[in-house]
Amino acid sequence: DTAVSQTPKYLVTQMGNDKSIKCEQNLGHDTMYWYKQDSKKFLKIMFSYNNKELIINETVPNRFSPKSPDKAHLNLHINSLELGDSAVYFCASSQEPGGGNYEQYFGPGTRLTVT
Amino acid sequence: KQEVTQIPAALSVPEGENLVLNCSFTDSAIYNLQWFRQDPGKGLTSLLLIQSSQREQTSGRLNASLDKSSGRSTLYIAASQPGDSATYLCAVSDNTDKLIFGTGTRLQVFP
Repeated sequence: DTAVSQTPKYLVTQMGNDKSIKCEQNLGHDTMYWYKQDSKKFLKIMFSYNNKELIINETVPNRFSPKSPDKAHLNLHINSLELGDSAVYFCASSQEPGGGNYEQYFGPGTRLTVT
Repeated sequence: KQEVTQIPAALSVPEGENLVLNCSFTDSAIYNLQWFRQDPGKGLTSLLLIQSSQREQTSGRLNASLDKSSGRSTLYIAASQPGDSATYLCAVSDNTDKLIFGTGTRLQVFP
């Protein structure tokens, strides 16, 4: 069984479009995250949610809007896509936030290419 | 601002060698340190989590140590195998639960 899943795996789209990436975890975790891995393979956190509530928002443009319909899902919607948004986006989850006592489990990633 | 650095950036070794990957961080006020591996085109797999009160963790052929006061961690891989070839990432967590990642070490183990 897949613990953290993301769809789609690949996404190719044109500048200016709006797109969404979906994430689901079946681990029963309370906290979910979005990370971005740029072309140099550097991973950086974007958002975290605990039980549908936003906890971390790391200076991400307003064009990025996470949505958590329930604690098992955290979707990422991106408006007006730009070339610089091309990256691999990873979803992750952990048992609970705060203190970092729990491992974070990552999804397989979504490779977004903006042309 | 926390910065995490990994040395070396790349490493190529023959099968069977024992090897050490290094991770250093600038702010010692961490809650835990986590080692991951990333295979090409794939997600991250958690290898070991060391909490700030711990000195080391072991899993199979992997051993990770943590010296919080000096801002260092090492990942020791015993008897390396070609299947160990991947990029290894360390990440530290502060009290906000953010994971701050290092730059990664790309490991190749050849037969």
